[in-house]
Amino acid sequence: GESVGLHLPTLSVQEGDNSIINCAYSNSASDYFIWYKQESGKGPQFIIDIRSNMDKRQGQRVTVLLNKTVKHLSLQIAATQPGDSAVYFCAETSDNRLAFGKGNQVVVIP
Amino acid sequence: NAGVTQTPKFQVLKTGQSMTLQCAQDMNHNSMYWYRQDPGMGLRLIYYSASEGTTDKGEVPNGYNVSRLNKREFSLRLESAAPSQTSVYFCASSLGRAFFGQGTRLTVV
Repeated sequence: GESVGLHLPTLSVQEGDNSIINCAYSNSASDYFIWYKQESGKGPQFIIDIRSNMDKRQGQRVTVLLNKTVKHLSLQIAATQPGDSAVYFCAETSDNRLAFGKGNQVVVIP
Repeated sequence: NAGVTQTPKFQVLKTGQSMTLQCAQDMNHNSMYWYRQDPGMGLRLIYYSASEGTTDKGEVPNGYNVSRLNKREFSLRLESAAPSQTSVYFCASSLGRAFFGQGTRLTVV
C-alpha cells in the first residue's frame, strides 16, 4: 500500500544521535498539544503531550518544547533507535477539536 | 479492553455505492473523531463529536455524514462514494489525549 510518509519532510538521523522534529501550529487559542508516532499500516500512537501553561515536558527519551510566542512545538528524541523510524505528527486541541499537522518522516540509519 | 475498534479494515466500493464505517470505543470518552489520511496530507478532520448527541463539521466534511449513536459509537456514512474518497479513514476518541483505531482502507473504483 501507499506510504503515509510519501512527500513528507524527511529527517534522516544516525542511530544513537538525537532527533529534533519541529511543528508550527496556527491556532493561538489551542491549549493542549500532543505528539503522535505513526508506523506504516497502523494508527497514530500517543508519544507525549503538553498543556499551554507549560513550556517543557519530558518523558522517556522524549522531550516536548512549546513556544507559545511563536506558536512552535518541537519533539526531541534522545539516542534515536531503529524503532523510532516512523512519521511523527503534532496535534493541537481547542474547543474539543483535535487538528493535526502534516507530519514529518524520521528515517533512522543503522 | 479493546480501546477503539473500527470496522471494516478494508473495503472496495464502486462509484455511487453507499456504506457506513463503524467505530466503537470502550474507554467512556466524550469526544470522538473521524479523519481521513492521504499520502503527504496528514490527518484531516472530517467530523467530530464532543459528546453524545452532538456532531460538528471538521475540515473536509463534504460527501460524508456522521451519527453519534450513543457514547460508545460514532459512525461515518458515505451516501454516494466517489473516487476522491479513496483514503485511509481513522476513528479516534479522547478525554484529553486521543486514541486511534487501526484504520479502514477504502478504495472507490
